[in-house]
Amino acid sequence: DTAVSQTPKYLVTQMGNDKSIKCEQNLGHDTMYWYKQDSKKFLKIMFSYNNKELIINETVPNRFSPKSPDKAHLNLHINSLELGDSAVYFCASSQDIGTKNTEAFFGQGTRLTVV
Amino acid sequence: AQRVTQPEKLLSVFKGAPVELKCNYSYSGSPELFWYVQYSRQRLQLLLRHISRESIKGFTADLNKGETSFHLKKPFAQEEDSAMYYCALRGNTGTASKLTFGTGTRLQVTL
Repeated sequence: DTAVSQTPKYLVTQMGNDKSIKCEQNLGHDTMYWYKQDSKKFLKIMFSYNNKELIINETVPNRFSPKSPDKAHLNLHINSLELGDSAVYFCASSQDIGTKNTEAFFGQGTRLTVV
Repeated sequence: AQRVTQPEKLLSVFKGAPVELKCNYSYSGSPELFWYVQYSRQRLQLLLRHISRESIKGFTADLNKGETSFHLKKPFAQEEDSAMYYCALRGNTGTASKLTFGTGTRLQVTL
């Protein structure tokens, strides 16, 4: 009964391809995030959605396009993949400000390797 | 703007030695501070948050607003503490809440 689940767990693809990573949370949270963890384990926020609306876009190339069909899902689509996109991508969700529980719950990560 | 700084990329200590993982933040309001941990091959998970003022797995962290710090401490390191530790900050103004992470510190506990 996973709280935040991402698919796929591993993704190996060639440069120039287009791929998507899916994320779903069953916690009823209002806010979802995508983070990128590079080879040095640095964790950087990419996007944040609140109730299906984009609220944070952190200088991410427009080859990356998040899509939130409903507040339980936040998918990440990447066009024209580049070698530098290789990383682990984490999805997370949290409850919005104003509530007591603002802990973020993370998915298990998607390891993307571009060859 | 909000920023979290973890100055150490790697901290190596012997088992039984005290541990202090440093975290400094920059935020104009009153932030919420967290420590997250990522054990090998596991997802990130919350370790503790400053509003709870609790000790988890022997770790504590005190928010020092004067020094804008939220260092993570444990008096006696254990092998199972080896992991990546991330300090995180959430602002509390407006609805655009953003959970900002530091770059992380790898704690390595050796025998």
